[in-house]
Amino acid sequence: QKEVEQDPGPLSVPEGAIVSLNCTYSNSAFQYFMWYRQYSRKGPELLMYTYSSGNKEDGRFTAQVDKSSKYISLFIRDSQPSDSATYLCAMIINSGASKIIFGSGTRLSIRP
Amino acid sequence: DTAVSQTPKYLVTQMGNDKSIKCEQNLGHDTMYWYKQDSKKFLKIMFSYNNKELIINETVPNRFSPKSPDKAHLNLHINSLELGDSAVYFCASGQAGSPLHFGNGTRLTVT
Repeated sequence: QKEVEQDPGPLSVPEGAIVSLNCTYSNSAFQYFMWYRQYSRKGPELLMYTYSSGNKEDGRFTAQVDKSSKYISLFIRDSQPSDSATYLCAMIINSGASKIIFGSGTRLSIRP
Repeated sequence: DTAVSQTPKYLVTQMGNDKSIKCEQNLGHDTMYWYKQDSKKFLKIMFSYNNKELIINETVPNRFSPKSPDKAHLNLHINSLELGDSAVYFCASGQAGSPLHFGNGTRLTVT
């Protein structure tokens, strides 16, 4: 079993829809959680970074962490064609750890 | 100003050749990484250096040898290239407890 599981998609939704992207993980020692967005032929760029369970909002993006279920989500409201990209979840065991584990990424397409 | 820059952007070479990829960061971070991304977009860590010292060395063939001349630079040398080495190689930098900043990748194609 992989440490971090993420549905690869592809996921295709119409413009304006709410998108829900999810990851599950097996190691309860993970404490820091991130979402990266990767456009084609570019490097991953950080979207959201959270520590505790609960929600964190930034504009149209909301990151949700449920440590009891070992489940994290990224919600995108009012989705735009420019949101079309691959979204990768990532997590770290503790603040001093250098090793970040990534999910396999979900390919998202927003139809105009 | 590009925070993490790597060269070359594309690299096409034949099996058996030796090649190098270079990476530089201007963020003042102590830690730098090499990640390999396969065709299914899975990002796998290869190496990590903290202040020029190797701290993570995953199960990578010893044909791959990283070198960090200073904390702002991390290079990757690959000997005797094989078809399976074809992938996108990403350099990243970060500080403890903080997310990583990635370069735009080097797309390596071995023919």
